[in-house]
Amino acid sequence: AQTVTQSQPEMSVQEAETVTLSCTYDTSESDYYLFWYKQPPSRQMILVIRQEAYKQQNATENRFSVNFQKAAKSFSLKISDSQLGDAAMYFCAYRRAYGQNFVFGPGTRLSVLP
Amino acid sequence: KAGVTQTPRYLIKTRGQQVTLSCSPISGHRSVSWYQQTPGQGLQFLFEYFSETQRNKGNFPGRFSGRQFSNSRSEMNVSTLELGDSALYLCASSFRRLSDTQYFGPGTRLTVL
Repeated sequence: AQTVTQSQPEMSVQEAETVTLSCTYDTSESDYYLFWYKQPPSRQMILVIRQEAYKQQNATENRFSVNFQKAAKSFSLKISDSQLGDAAMYFCAYRRAYGQNFVFGPGTRLSVLP
Repeated sequence: KAGVTQTPRYLIKTRGQQVTLSCSPISGHRSVSWYQQTPGQGLQFLFEYFSETQRNKGNFPGRFSGRQFSNSRSEMNVSTLELGDSALYLCASSFRRLSDTQYFGPGTRLTVL
């Protein structure tokens, strides 16, 4: 079974600084998708970024970028120029290519300090 | 386009009762998945519906069931509630079954007393 690990239960970052959230996963599949979701205190899960495993190029969405290391099964999220609104729980998620359900990591709570 | 909606947002029940939660997917989305979120277990997959058929099921007891209607709206039902069923129940929709992005609703907070 696939598992997703986020080794940092909590992190903090100064406003305008850069922070990296870690995620590792375990799978025997070669074709899959990886995601970062954000869950602010309002509880609405929001997609931050996604990565297709067959793409070597790291995904980028504005201030958010990933470092995808397929061989190491690592998928970290970098948030640049952190803003107060980035404070949330961040979940790393895995989905195999032909399956619908996601496997989520335990989450990292990010605090942004003014 | 309106997002995924879930009703009710908050619910309080007592042990032994049953509950039905509702999810309306984004217009045009045909796949609906349900997740349970608790502090101890995190986010766990319950089941997925597509074209009114359950396609995937997570490791939950038979007390948890669901269905999907022809308009893609979905309901999940929990019978004989237990204290451990207290959780945030999240619904997510996607356009195709194999679509790679799910969009989540705000969740229903269920408290079992």
